[in-house]
Amino acid sequence: AQSVTQPDIHITVSEGASLELRCNYSYGATPYLFWYVQSPGQGLQLLLKYFSGDTLVQGIKGFEAEFKRSQSSFNLRKPSVHWSDAAEYFCAVGSGGYQKVTFGTGTKLQVIP
Amino acid sequence: DGGITQSPKYLFRKEGQNVTLSCEQNLNHDAMYWYRQDPGQGLRLIYYSQIVNDFQKGDIAEGYSVSREKKESFPLTVTSAQKNPTAFYLCASSIRGVGYTFGSGTRLTVV
Repeated sequence: AQSVTQPDIHITVSEGASLELRCNYSYGATPYLFWYVQSPGQGLQLLLKYFSGDTLVQGIKGFEAEFKRSQSSFNLRKPSVHWSDAAEYFCAVGSGGYQKVTFGTGTKLQVIP
Repeated sequence: DGGITQSPKYLFRKEGQNVTLSCEQNLNHDAMYWYRQDPGQGLRLIYYSQIVNDFQKGDIAEGYSVSREKKESFPLTVTSAQKNPTAFYLCASSIRGVGYTFGSGTRLTVV
C-alpha cells in the first residue's frame, strides 16, 4: 500500500531564511508526487507535482522539490521564506490516472520576523 | 472562473440526524473525491467517483454515503451511523494525471 511520511509536525523559520520540508513515500512503482499548501480554514492548493522527467520540479510561489528515487524522498524547498508562506504543507503520492492519492499528515510552518 | 464550490461553509448536526454536504464543480473534471481532515491526521479518503453513476469506497467510508448523478455534482451524506462526524470535509476533483483541485471545505460540528 502506498504511504507518505512527513517527519516534521511543526517547523519554525525566520523570514528570509531557507526552508526544506521533508517527505518520504512508499510506493511500488513510479509514483506521482505532489505538494499542497493549506491556509487555516481553507482548501488545499497545489504547489507542484512530479510525474516523470527532470527530478527537480519548479512550482508556484517560488517553491521547488527534488525527487530522489534512491531515498524515496520528495523534499520541498524555498530559498527565502516570506511571512505569507506560513501555512500547513502536505506531501502526497498517487499512481496517476484517477487512482486515489494518499496524503501525509502535514507540516505546519511558522515564520517569525 | 472555474472551480469547486462547497456548501455550506459551516454545518451543525444534531445527534441522530443525517446531513448532506454539497460539492459542485464547473471544471469538466471526470473524477471527484471526498476527504475528511482531522487535526494531526492529514486527509483521509471517504469516497471517490471516476465517472457518473459510479463511485468507490475510500479508507473511511463507514457512516457516509454519496451519489454521482451528474458530472458536476458529488454530494456527501453524513449519516447517523457516523459516530464521530465532527471534522473538516474537503471535496476535490481531477482530470487524469494533473492533480487535485480542492474546494474550500465544510466544517461540520455535532451539537
